[in-house]
Amino acid sequence: GENVEQHPSTLSVQEGDSAVIKCTYSDSASNYFPWYKQELGKGPQLIIDIRSNVGEKKDQRIAVTLNKTAKHFSLHITETQPEDSAVYFCAPDMRFGAGTRLTVKP
Amino acid sequence: NAGVMQNPRHLVRRRGQEARLRCSPMKGHSHVYWYRQLPEEGLKFMVYLQKENIIDESGMPKERFSAEFPKEGPSILRIQQVVRGDSAAYFCASSPNRGRAYEQYFGPGTRLTVT
Repeated sequence: GENVEQHPSTLSVQEGDSAVIKCTYSDSASNYFPWYKQELGKGPQLIIDIRSNVGEKKDQRIAVTLNKTAKHFSLHITETQPEDSAVYFCAPDMRFGAGTRLTVKP
Repeated sequence: NAGVMQNPRHLVRRRGQEARLRCSPMKGHSHVYWYRQLPEEGLKFMVYLQKENIIDESGMPKERFSAEFPKEGPSILRIQQVVRGDSAAYFCASSPNRGRAYEQYFGPGTRLTVT
């Protein structure tokens, strides 16, 4: 079956710095690559997604880059803010990784 | 447009009882998915339904678990004879398009505790 891994599992940054989370997957047939943000006690919230025919997508401070050949895609958050603190999940074709806990220190 | 709604938000059951979890998809969405999340873990797919049809139940345990999405009313995830290992957060998601390769919108979840 699909093997999805996220790195790092925890990430702590200073407010204003950038954060990058990487997701690797094994199924070369995957063609939908979303990132979800989950705050404590809430359901996952879709923050950005990309399809296999696109290499990069940006939405304000958030961007996703896809390398289909290497089978990985990354989430980039610039100018981080304390409210970005949450657990982030990649989910290629809706198969979830284990999550990355991001802490943004004010 | 109301989001995905789930109830109850918290459910406590004793071992051996039945748990019924309800999910109302977003307006206009006819595809519903159920996931289970254990503490500190990602979400695990359980089942994908359309109205009156189970499309993919490959993630559903073979015994005690069932799901339905009737023509009228919410989708129901039913767990019979609950055991402690069923304690988890159960999330429902809906999408406007068919299949798992499209954006899904999640509800707030039902946290099931089995005592």
